Amino acid sequence: AQKITQTQPGMFVQEKEAVTLDCTYDTSDQSYGLFWYKQPSSGEMIFLIYQGSYDEQNATEGRYSLNFQKARKSANLVISASQLGDSAMYFCAMRESPGGYQKVTFGIGTKLQVIP
Amino acid sequence: GAVVSQHPSRVICKSGTSVKIECRSLDFQATTMFWYRQFPKQSLMLMATSNEGSKATYEQGVEKDKFLINHASLTLSTLTVTSAHPEDSSFYICSVPTGPNSNQPQHFGDGTRLSIL
Repeated sequence: AQKITQTQPGMFVQEKEAVTLDCTYDTSDQSYGLFWYKQPSSGEMIFLIYQGSYDEQNATEGRYSLNFQKARKSANLVISASQLGDSAMYFCAMRESPGGYQKVTFGIGTKLQVIP
Repeated sequence: GAVVSQHPSRVICKSGTSVKIECRSLDFQATTMFWYRQFPKQSLMLMATSNEGSKATYEQGVEKDKFLINHASLTLSTLTVTSAHPEDSSFYICSVPTGPNSNQPQHFGDGTRLSIL
């Protein structure tokens, strides 16, 4: 079974609009972390936001917010007021510690294109 | 500023050459670092976990003798692709956890694009 599922291979959004990138996850651990990373065409991975499994409040970082629905095992990324520079690949990831061994799994990514 | 420094950023070399990639943690003492491989238009695939002072832990299907990992200090891990062949051409990227807990993020190096001719 897929650990991290991103069902949107590509998304378009108009500049200044908000966009939601979907992510669902699968784990039997009680303690885990969920992350979103941005990868521009240049290749580097940029950390955007994280949500701990015990955090009750949804995480926010500037224009990024994480819509965490634990019962549904979803951790969608919301980008508000999209900018042209937001065009990139976005990866959802989960960090867990099965048996004390740290492991991070990435989804296949969503390519976001912001249209002027 | 950069938290993780990865070098070199790009390597082009002949088949049969061994290539060493360095990953340095600039702000954290890292007992663990991770090495990933990314094929074009695909996600990151964890290759191995680099452990300071002990052997690396390799993911299933990753050849230990092909991808040598050495975690020499709390700030440096190296990945050596031995006797590289064209199928080893890929984007390799390392990451450093900011802490031991699951809810702490990783910071990534800028990656190394390896091209084997």
